[in-house]
Amino acid sequence: EDQVTQSPEALRLQEGESSSLNCSYTVSGLRGLFWYRQDPGKGPEFLFTLYSAGEEKEKERLKATLTKKESFLHITAPKPEDSATYLCAVQRNRDDKIIFGKGTRLHILP
Amino acid sequence: EAQVTQNPRYLITVTGKKLTVTCSQNMNHEYMSWYRQDPGLGLRQIYYSMNVEVTDKGDVPEGYKVSRKEKRNFPLILESPSPNQTSLYFCASSLRGSPRFQFFGPGTRLTVL
Repeated sequence: EDQVTQSPEALRLQEGESSSLNCSYTVSGLRGLFWYRQDPGKGPEFLFTLYSAGEEKEKERLKATLTKKESFLHITAPKPEDSATYLCAVQRNRDDKIIFGKGTRLHILP
Repeated sequence: EAQVTQNPRYLITVTGKKLTVTCSQNMNHEYMSWYRQDPGLGLRQIYYSMNVEVTDKGDVPEGYKVSRKEKRNFPLILESPSPNQTSLYFCASSLRGSPRFQFFGPGTRLTVL
């Protein structure tokens, strides 16, 4: 069965303390892997798309990487405004269906 | 301004009373999708549409209907709502072929009593 598992479920960091969020996936034919940020009470906001193993994308303090079985979202020197839930999703080739992970709740303490 | 709009934003209803949640986008996107988000279960896809008159089931389609008669609109219909459909619903749209740069609407919080 195709699935996406994110870890940890929740993470508390001090401001400036770098870390990584994990997204492991099993899917029969990957069209793409996506990272989103979701603030409380709002819709997810697109961050990155990754298509093939070895690919990397960066945006400000965030960097996403992809292997054949997992993706990492690295957060460098985070600030309190980076606090949010980060969602990972995959789209499979055969029918374009999208499967989301349950997310990682990130809290950055000032 | 590029956006996805949903109406209503909040709705409290009773079991069995038919309702429609509207979704509209102004970006000329081909791909549109409906999700529900529940604590502990994450976002789950209900239905999606690759283009006008083309719809497909997602992971949790039971109890829902959709239609795509126009490119910009993708309404979600609950013919006979039940309490287990109490949830936060999101509509999303993107360019065809991939949900890259997928735009999400603000969400509709539905309570079925």
